[in-house]
Amino acid sequence: EAQVTQNPRYLITVTGKKLTVTCSQNMNHEYMSWYRQDPGLGLRQIYYSMNVEVTDKGDVPEGYKVSRKEKRNFPLILESPSPNQTSLYFCASSPMGWAGDSGELFFGEGSRLTVL
Amino acid sequence: QKEVEQNSGPLSVPEGAIASLNCTYSDRGSQSFFWYRQYSGKSPELIMFIYSNGDKEDGRFTAQLNKASQYVSLLIRDSQPSDSATYLCAVSPLREKLTFGTGTRLTIIP
Repeated sequence: EAQVTQNPRYLITVTGKKLTVTCSQNMNHEYMSWYRQDPGLGLRQIYYSMNVEVTDKGDVPEGYKVSRKEKRNFPLILESPSPNQTSLYFCASSPMGWAGDSGELFFGEGSRLTVL
Repeated sequence: QKEVEQNSGPLSVPEGAIASLNCTYSDRGSQSFFWYRQYSGKSPELIMFIYSNGDKEDGRFTAQLNKASQYVSLLIRDSQPSDSATYLCAVSPLREKLTFGTGTRLTIIP
């Protein structure tokens, strides 16, 4: 089954404790992206990647890191989480070299993160 | 000014009626426009995209684009309770970038 898989789905952590949210897609997509979704603010892009070893900042990259060492994986790293990073996170991928060609972003199920 | 603006709603529409969802965007250079649907607790899914001025129909859904007015809309005909969801407008102002609005919550009343 074609899918984008995120883990963990739910996480409660404390300020400053490094964490990684994994994202894996099995559709051989070139484009991958991370979004956070907050009430009243909608979906905001954190980072995106056009291909292996190619990553770039989105609208809200502060406090996050990413890597794209393999085509299928695009982990999101919070080196020192803070309460303002409490959010619902979505990983997404697209079959085109660029998501905008068709707009068809395939989203993972989301990871709800709480930072105390 | 937000890049992509939507009325947050909630928008309540009787079953069988037409639901009209609206979106405005700020970047005149935007080329691609999309509507995603997001059920509560679920991830967004693409339902329509439109590139050219005018209307594009797909089943009960019609997307309308007016680049001169920087306006894109989604019409849902014969609304069903299963259409109750949040609808996200997304605009591509730059290559490699897709900017989402905050979404309009739609409720179809049986």
